[in-house]
Amino acid sequence: DAGVIQSPRHEVTEMGQEVTLRCKPISGHNSLFWYRQTMMRGLELLIYFNNNVPIDDSGMPEDRFSAKMPNASFSTLKIQPSEPRDSAVYFCASSSGGYTDTQYFGPGTRLTVL
Amino acid sequence: GENVEQHPSTLSVQEGDSAVIKCTYSDSASNYFPWYKQELGKRPQLIIDIRSNVGEKKDQRIAVTLNKTAKHFSLHITETQPEDSAVYFCAALKAYGNNRLAFGKGNQVVVIP
Repeated sequence: DAGVIQSPRHEVTEMGQEVTLRCKPISGHNSLFWYRQTMMRGLELLIYFNNNVPIDDSGMPEDRFSAKMPNASFSTLKIQPSEPRDSAVYFCASSSGGYTDTQYFGPGTRLTVL
Repeated sequence: GENVEQHPSTLSVQEGDSAVIKCTYSDSASNYFPWYKQELGKRPQLIIDIRSNVGEKKDQRIAVTLNKTAKHFSLHITETQPEDSAVYFCAALKAYGNNRLAFGKGNQVVVIP
């Protein structure tokens, strides 16, 4: 198995632009998580999907952030409009059973908003 | 919600010595405690976890101990090696109801050759 796949690996954009991050979970996993990591705030859970349904989106910072999971093999995290404070590494992770099964993280997307 | 704190923030040890990282949590009902390791520039990876029905779990050179009364759990790394140098994150979860996995800020462990 290729593991969790994320794209792009690096993204540099200007303030105000729309950014879309993509994730393909491990085949057969029914849980998907989006995290944001910064030096100041550490690792923060943004949203958790189970069987393609958003279960917990209380970590989504504000209306500028949205996430979708149209099917079991694909999810997107969109930021519109982007701001410099959104600069971070965004990780996608998947597991076979929610929080208490091992979460396998993707390689992350390093986002820089100028 | 759950609040997880890790101490010390940075730990330097000589190769071959042991390293211990401690996490405290706030919700006494939390019952699942994983540890993740993140090497520089890499993704976090689960290295060990423990549930509240046991007090200790070992896997080769790493072990985790849980003190439910004091609401803290610790990661123990014995015979440290340079490849143990990383940031270690602990987390806690109340695994019933609509709860979320709460991560600590991480501990930087540096193993000095």
